[in-house]
Amino acid sequence: EVQLVQSGAVVKKPGESLKISCKGSGYSFPDYWIGWVRQMPGKGLEWMGIIYPSDADTTYSPSFQGQVTISADKSINVTYLQWSSLKASDTAMYYCARQYCHGANCNPAMFEYWGPGTQITVSS
Amino acid sequence: DIQMTQSPSSLSASIGDRVTITCRASQGIYHYLAWYQQKPGKVPKLLIYAASALHSGVPSRFSGSGSGTDFTLTISSLQPEDVASYYCQTYNRGLGTFGQGTKVEIK
Repeated sequence: EVQLVQSGAVVKKPGESLKISCKGSGYSFPDYWIGWVRQMPGKGLEWMGIIYPSDADTTYSPSFQGQVTISADKSINVTYLQWSSLKASDTAMYYCARQYCHGANCNPAMFEYWGPGTQITVSS
Repeated sequence: DIQMTQSPSSLSASIGDRVTITCRASQGIYHYLAWYQQKPGKVPKLLIYAASALHSGVPSRFSGSGSGTDFTLTISSLQPEDVASYYCQTYNRGLGTFGQGTKVEIK
């Protein structure tokens, strides 16, 4: 069974750094793209970026390029999303999600399995 | 960037009604369009991919159509468990963009 387990909710102050995680299990972790999706309070879904753990190939949405860093450690089946300096506007739920892939029908940027989300609150 | 525009932003319909949500891409995306359902307080779920292919386990009352720039999600007979927000998403050329969402409620 494919599972994505995310790190717990966090409360941080503006200017602080943060790294949240997403651990995959039940499948060959290096071989599937993992993405991150933001959902601000009461708002819609925003596609942030994806990473291929096998070679760390990463694609960012232009809206998030330079704002966050996506990384992965395939030795422990974990993907990370990190900020160097948080802002109040980073307050949101962040989901990790694994690509859809069945037979020859695979696409890195579309998601089939989702983690439960990590709530990040940035407040002074 | 490709922009995805959904309409309406919200709708209210009766049980059994046919519900249609539209999604327009700012440029042609072939059939690289998925639909997700997110129930209140829950994680999004994939409903449809490749514009019209029903994901495993999704009830047949859901259907998708379209190609190029204009797409549609249809619920043929609205059920109480369909109360949710629905999002279209393009996944063309390894980049994704979601629409702003459509909230579906029961009248």
